Amino acid sequence: EVQLVESGGGLVRPGGSLRLSCEASGFAFKTYWMYWVRQGPGKGLVYVSRINTDGNITHYADFVKGRFTISRDNAKSTLYLQLTSLSAEDTAVYYCIRDEPGTFDYWGQGTLVTVSS
Amino acid sequence: QAVVTQETSLTVSPGGTVILTCASSTGAVTSGHYPYWFQQKPGQAPRTLIYDMRNKHSWTPARFSGSLLGGRAALTLSGAQPEDEADYYCLLSYTGARPVFGGGTRLTVL
Repeated sequence: EVQLVESGGGLVRPGGSLRLSCEASGFAFKTYWMYWVRQGPGKGLVYVSRINTDGNITHYADFVKGRFTISRDNAKSTLYLQLTSLSAEDTAVYYCIRDEPGTFDYWGQGTLVTVSS
Repeated sequence: QAVVTQETSLTVSPGGTVILTCASSTGAVTSGHYPYWFQQKPGQAPRTLIYDMRNKHSWTPARFSGSLLGGRAALTLSGAQPEDEADYYCLLSYTGARPVFGGGTRLTVL
């Protein structure tokens, strides 16, 4: 069974940092591109970032502006998103998604990041 | 960046048919945008219903179908069920640019 389990969310002060993790199981993690998407409270879905199988090709939404870093550890079947310089606008549930090429087939349950003083 | 627009809300009667659409600020939506459709119920993560315009996952109910309609991507629900009440999001891919989600459509089955 394919499972994606996000963790690492929580309450952080403006300007702070957080590292999100997405632990994958039930499939050959190293063979899939992975994505992060977020959803602010009561708002819609927003693309954040994606990474290729080897981790050497990454892509970010414009609003990231160098503040976030996506990475992966294929040996640990884990996807990461390092968040820095956080502001209230970054408050959201962050989802990781597996991409069977072009299908976006599996989503995790999400991890909530709250940025507040 | 392109803006993707969906109906804010729609209502359908049980057993009825409804079409949700997804428009791009850059012009007509084509198969080259590889339209996706996602369903999200309250308190749950989204799940993907349609990818690459019309392809379904194994869990996608047969009553959902994807297409292009009048320059927009479309999600047709034929024979609506109470459990179809949810938020629906489309996603369009743009060559050389970031993929963009629509703002979502809240579908009420009433």
